[in-house]
Amino acid sequence: GAGVSQSPSNKVTEKGKDVELRCDPISGHTALYWYRQSLGQGLEFLIYFQGNSAPDKSGLPSDRFSAERTGGSVSTLTIQRTQQEDSAVYLCASSLSRGRSYNEQFFGPGTRLTVL
Amino acid sequence: TQLLEQSPQFLSIQEGENLTVYCNSSSVFSSLQWYRQEPGEGPVLLVTVVTGGEVKKLKRLTFQFGDARKDSSLHITAAQPGDTGLYLCAGAKPGSARQLTFGSGTQLTVLP
Repeated sequence: GAGVSQSPSNKVTEKGKDVELRCDPISGHTALYWYRQSLGQGLEFLIYFQGNSAPDKSGLPSDRFSAERTGGSVSTLTIQRTQQEDSAVYLCASSLSRGRSYNEQFFGPGTRLTVL
Repeated sequence: TQLLEQSPQFLSIQEGENLTVYCNSSSVFSSLQWYRQEPGEGPVLLVTVVTGGEVKKLKRLTFQFGDARKDSSLHITAAQPGDTGLYLCAGAKPGSARQLTFGSGTQLTVLP
């Protein structure tokens, strides 16, 4: 079966423009996560969805960042008025939600965002 | 604040050598996972440890969770070039089980 897919794989934009990143999770996975990763670094948690709701938005770095999920499936992460410090790889992951505390998260390949 | 500190940050060794990567925190985690990430790809789960003192082996890789569930180690025996990658530990805090806190990563290069 298909894994987590993300689009675009690469995005170059100019400072001040808005960008939209898309994540298609594994079918049947109810939990979806967005992370940000700077070059060669660990992952910074951004937001978590359970179904269509986002119980934890604590990681969003500013109000320029927003995310939504529709139909319990596809999610989009929107960055408004992009800044150069937004340049990073944005990773999406999904997992089953069976109530265990350690469900495996399956990651997509990421979207590399470059803000000029 | 980096809740999970990994060391070393970079490690370059010859094929056949052994190595240990450490993941340390002052916080208690309900579980801890190790992931490996290759360039241009997302991290892939290697193992999950849940019980303090737990040891898990995956072929040449040995994972240990500290007794107090605040730290973990990954030991690789007879490293091979295919082990090259970014190794990340990730902890789930009690009460926030679905949110993982990732370490800063260890970039391992195994030279043939």
